[in-house]
Amino acid sequence: GESVGLHLPTLSVQEGDNSIINCAYSNSASDYFIWYKQESGKGPQFIIDIRSNMDKRQGQRVTVLLNKTVKHLSLQIAATQPGDSAVYFCAEAPTSGTYKYIFGTGTRLKVLA
Amino acid sequence: DTEVTQTPKHLVMGMTNKKSLKCEQHMGHRAMYWYKQKAKKPPELMFVYSYEKLSINESVPSRFSPECPNSSLLNLHLHALQPEDSALYLCASSQGGAFGSNSPLHFGNGTRLTVT
Repeated sequence: GESVGLHLPTLSVQEGDNSIINCAYSNSASDYFIWYKQESGKGPQFIIDIRSNMDKRQGQRVTVLLNKTVKHLSLQIAATQPGDSAVYFCAEAPTSGTYKYIFGTGTRLKVLA
Repeated sequence: DTEVTQTPKHLVMGMTNKKSLKCEQHMGHRAMYWYKQKAKKPPELMFVYSYEKLSINESVPSRFSPECPNSSLLNLHLHALQPEDSALYLCASSQGGAFGSNSPLHFGNGTRLTVT
């Protein structure tokens, strides 16, 4: 989800349920997308990436879906665990060869015991 | 633990001080970055070095001065900072070169800077 202002959108999920975090990206020419997880007091940690010639990619307990038609990216986390609690950022690379990654505003995931 | 190491973890400095932030990576990455992150906000790009040459400066005030002594090291020299410069400063690296942006950024855990 996107938001403007001081508050991060928050997704609260029961432990063991699946989580879906959404991101709308801005540039239809973007060809590479990344999801990051940032825990309190740490830097963003790479989770999974996807190139624009794919619409789905799976990792361990995570799946990224890319819908280029509506410029939408999502991260699905299966069987959410307390350790998944963090802020999640999507990032897009507007054109091949640029170093200017564009970050989304972030979503806080809270896992409820 | 990350493969990008930043020191110090925390830094408190007065507005007249000079200090430096340090970053090191041994992944053979050829692109290195400085980002600034305020609370509840995404990282904002400051500088990019590609093959040890400054490639991008996002109109950062001159009180921030980057330096890339070699392909593994990146410094950020700080002088005459303002309280609003207080933030988490993140270093990152990526493969760079022919890969350009088609490789993920690897971040350090940052330096938490407080300017008094």
